Amino acid sequence: QKEVEQDPGPLSVPEGAIVSLNCTYSNSAFQYFMWYRQYSRKGPELLMYTYSSGNKEDGRFTAQVDKSSKYISLFIRDSQPSDSATYLCAMMRDMSNAGNMLTFGGGTRLMVKP
Amino acid sequence: DAGVIQSPRHEVTEMGQEVTLRCKPISGHNSLFWYRQTMMRGLELLIYFNNNVPIDDSGMPEDRFSAKMPNASFSTLKIQPSEPRDSAVYFCASSPYRAGGELFFGEGSRLTVL
Repeated sequence: QKEVEQDPGPLSVPEGAIVSLNCTYSNSAFQYFMWYRQYSRKGPELLMYTYSSGNKEDGRFTAQVDKSSKYISLFIRDSQPSDSATYLCAMMRDMSNAGNMLTFGGGTRLMVKP
Repeated sequence: DAGVIQSPRHEVTEMGQEVTLRCKPISGHNSLFWYRQTMMRGLELLIYFNNNVPIDDSGMPEDRFSAKMPNASFSTLKIQPSEPRDSAVYFCASSPYRAGGELFFGEGSRLTVL
């Protein structure tokens, strides 16, 4: 079993829909949770970053962490065709130790159709 | 800022040949990471440098792979001899943080080994 699980999709939605992307993880030591967005033939770029449990909102994007369930989500409101990309969750134990690496999920491919 | 610069963007080579991938991190970033991305395995961390010193190379698949960082502005990943199973997109990323977390990825080097 992988340490971080993510449905690969593809997830196809109409423009304007609310999108929910999710990851589950097994390591209860993870405290920092991130979402990276990767456009086709590009490198991933950091989209959202949260620490511990709770919600964080940035424009149309909301990141949610439920540490008790070991489950994180990314919600996209009013989805746009420009949101079409692969979304990778990533997590790590802490920022202070150089030995702690980011663990990535496999990514979910999202397609928003006009 | 120009971002992380990788070269070549595309490389097609024959089995047994030596491949050298290059990376220029963002100026001022102390940490540098080499990742490999395939459909089957997703993003895999190969090696991580902090202040030009290799910290963790446990992800390097075998002795055919080697990486160097002779100075703060340049790193190489070498595969010798290359094999078809090495075909993947290789990403270099840099971070201003010692433990990573927020990574700035280059656009990747797409390697095809025939």
